[in-house]
Amino acid sequence: AQSVTQLDSHVSVSEGTPVLLRCNYSSSYSPSLFWYVQHPNKGLQLLLKYTSAATLVKGINGFEAEFKKSETSFHLTKPSAHMSDAAEYFCVVSEKGNTGFQKLVFGTGTRLLVSP
Amino acid sequence: DGGITQSPKYLFRKEGQNVTLSCEQNLNHDAMYWYRQDPGQGLRLIYYSQIVNDFQKGDIAEGYSVSREKKESFPLTVTSAQKNPTAFYLCASSRERSSASYEQYFGPGTRLTVT
Repeated sequence: AQSVTQLDSHVSVSEGTPVLLRCNYSSSYSPSLFWYVQHPNKGLQLLLKYTSAATLVKGINGFEAEFKKSETSFHLTKPSAHMSDAAEYFCVVSEKGNTGFQKLVFGTGTRLLVSP
Repeated sequence: DGGITQSPKYLFRKEGQNVTLSCEQNLNHDAMYWYRQDPGQGLRLIYYSQIVNDFQKGDIAEGYSVSREKKESFPLTVTSAQKNPTAFYLCASSRERSSASYEQYFGPGTRLTVT
């Protein structure tokens, strides 16, 4: 079974400084990986996804992530944080369930706090 | 606008009552999913449906039931058998049920409080 570990439950940054949210995964084959963002009391919005094409994936709102197979990592970065980036971020790996459907396995989330 | 709608946004019920959460999508997606979210945890899969008139249990199906009579609709019933029903419930859909690379699209969620 696949799993995802988000290494930090909370990350605090100042506005204008870089953001790094760390994610490690375990997978028995080439995974599809996603980052989703959730603002308070809202649904999840897709930031970006990796599906075995380019290892550096660019997403919305200036976020990007790099797939590193040797390190089994898929860290999310942004060069300069904005106040509106404050939210919960989920790293997600996709696997085939036992009936052939797509099953998402979620990390426990990282709460990003952005101070002025 | 295409998307997923969930209603209501907030729901309050007394213990022992069944309650049904609505989920509708106009994305023409085959697959639909129900997740439960608790504080400090990731999302956990309750039920999923790959096609009309078919659905399967997820990881935490006990105390829940679903139906899929129409492609657009996937309502979730939280029964009185669910021991800890208070949670945030999210519905999602994806274009193709058998592909691992298609992203899932999420609704805005329903926060259920049972007292």
